[in-house]
Amino acid sequence: DQQVKQNSPSLSVQEGRISILNCDYTNSMFDYFLWYKKYPAEGPTFLISISSIKDKNEDGRFTVFLNKSAKHLSLHIVPSQPGDSAVYFCAASFASGTYKYIFGTGTRLKVLA
Amino acid sequence: KAGVTQTPRYLIKTRGQQVTLSCSPISGHRSVSWYQQTPGQGLQFLFEYFSETQRNKGNFPGRFSGRQFSNSRSEMNVSTLELGDSALYLCASSRSGQGNTEAFFGQGTRLTVV
Repeated sequence: DQQVKQNSPSLSVQEGRISILNCDYTNSMFDYFLWYKKYPAEGPTFLISISSIKDKNEDGRFTVFLNKSAKHLSLHIVPSQPGDSAVYFCAASFASGTYKYIFGTGTRLKVLA
Repeated sequence: KAGVTQTPRYLIKTRGQQVTLSCSPISGHRSVSWYQQTPGQGLQFLFEYFSETQRNKGNFPGRFSGRQFSNSRSEMNVSTLELGDSALYLCASSRSGQGNTEAFFGQGTRLTVV
């Protein structure tokens, strides 16, 4: 039972345009969400997070949007750069619980120069 | 500040053998978690340790075990290896291990079972 889903295995975007990566979850008790980026042969790197009390969080070129009623979050990258080409994982957790992330299966983003 | 260090980076083992992987967390971090990454499956949570105690465990068979030492370093052991255990094993550390904090990952150990 996949509680966190990333339905798009891959996405290609032109350099300078917006990249939108989507993530859906099924457990309404999740209250903290994160995005990680992973390059080949490296571990995942934390990008940005959002608490369920917010619907938007921005950090430079990265913005995460949370729609609790739809159980959906998205990561926007503007403008996209070739160095953003990587696999992006969304993860969900319980803020008050002990540490355990539930990850999606990832979306491979390719930014074309 | 040194990051999360995992050793070894690569391992090749034979079916039926056992293997031990090591993880040194960021200094000051007391929570260490382990994940298995396989193609198409994303990252699957194995277990989490905090101050030498296992606080959380994922849905893996008992062949997968771990421990944490007083200096927060952690080891993961897989006994009676199967071909399906071939994966990238990732370790992550965080200061408190609370669900609303980000964790920092190591580069992983690539295990190949033949």
